Amino acid sequence: KAGVTQTPRYLIKTRGQQVTLSCSPISGHRSVSWYQQTPGQGLQFLFEYFSETQRNKGNFPGRFSGRQFSNSRSEMNVSTLELGDSALYLCASSLWGDGRERNEQFFGPGTRLTVL
Amino acid sequence: KQEVTQIPAALSVPEGENLVLNCSFTDSAIYNLQWFRQDPGKGLTSLLLIQSSQREQTSGRLNASLDKSSGRSTLYIAASQPGDSATYLCAEGAAGNKLTFGGGTRVLVKP
Repeated sequence: KAGVTQTPRYLIKTRGQQVTLSCSPISGHRSVSWYQQTPGQGLQFLFEYFSETQRNKGNFPGRFSGRQFSNSRSEMNVSTLELGDSALYLCASSLWGDGRERNEQFFGPGTRLTVL
Repeated sequence: KQEVTQIPAALSVPEGENLVLNCSFTDSAIYNLQWFRQDPGKGLTSLLLIQSSQREQTSGRLNASLDKSSGRSTLYIAASQPGDSATYLCAEGAAGNKLTFGGGTRVLVKP
């Protein structure tokens, strides 16, 4: 079974631009979560989608948004990019959406975003 | 507020020695505790998941324990190898599939 895939793997943008990242979960998984990883802040939760609905959101500004499609694929968008948005963006998929004890999460390889 | 701490931030051991990695969390109402491995510039690889109703979980040379009363989890890696060099992260699972991560422990196994 294929793992979580993320595209593109690398992106270079300039301040003020916007960017869209894509995540395809493991087949059959319906929950997709997004995380930002930076050297200073570590891994931080952005948001989680289940059945095309955002159910949980981290403490990030409104410039960060996302959506999930009917096939469970997800995209996240960052508008008006700032230098501090440079990070590794990771998505994770899991089978269930109700936070069950055995709901293991599997991560993709990430998208490395550099903002110049 | 959920907080997860991993101490030390880095450690170096000779090959063959057992590794002991610590993780502390503040929320006793956790759903599960998951351990991950991350190689430089890569994504996270899930190692073990311990459900809140379990005390430990084992996979090959890896064993993880969970003590909710003290807010601690420990990952043991037996007979370490240079290929075990990586950053190890623990994460507390909560409602809505949200994971709260520790800062990680960077491990170097010297041949």
